[in-house]
Amino acid sequence: ETGVTQTPRHLVMGMTNKKSLKCEQHLGHNAMYWYKQSAKKPLELMFVYSLEERVENNSVPSRFSPECPNSSHLFLHLHTLQPEDSALYLCASSRLRWGTSGWEEQFFGPGTRLTVL
Amino acid sequence: DQQVKQNSPSLSVQEGRISILNCDYTNSMFDYFLWYKKYPAEGPTFLISISSIKDKNEDGRFTVFLNKSAKHLSLHIVPSQPGDSAVYFCAASVARDDKIIFGKGTRLHILP
Repeated sequence: ETGVTQTPRHLVMGMTNKKSLKCEQHLGHNAMYWYKQSAKKPLELMFVYSLEERVENNSVPSRFSPECPNSSHLFLHLHTLQPEDSALYLCASSRLRWGTSGWEEQFFGPGTRLTVL
Repeated sequence: DQQVKQNSPSLSVQEGRISILNCDYTNSMFDYFLWYKKYPAEGPTFLISISSIKDKNEDGRFTVFLNKSAKHLSLHIVPSQPGDSAVYFCAASVARDDKIIFGKGTRLHILP
């Protein structure tokens, strides 16, 4: 496997379910990101991790809980979601955290298409 | 309020002609701009970028133009090829900031 992978690719869950999204990067990067793309809206940054430490939380509701056990893996734990949380969730990684030393290319995974019923 | 706007949701261009994708921004503090390309079922991939100290950056068939006074940038693809059919996202950032702000995207269709 190369690049950034995400599993599952599609997920349908009820509002009372608990599920997790997984992201793995094989690029040796030190920063990882979760983005959300809702229909007809721009990509929105949710969380940033640098060297496994969370450095950014863009006022995301607590029903989304990230976890970064090591620099290669990133999880997004979901519980008691709402239908408006249905979206494409994208993971990305970069060599260093964006802004640390100017521009760093972010490499995106294919995303998980989440539907909350 | 959107800081990065792509006002054309879609654009159709004949193969071989020039494709011009436009982007406007409101934050005068932005000093780095990027274009990403996204195919269906794939994540966005970086295409080309430009720093605010330049007004043009060229990479093969792709050229990005920046007009700071108008807070406008554009991506030119020439000649357009069938593989260019994708969604193109404009994005902007402030140096030393954590965030890249994305536009909603423009879907480009290259017609045979």
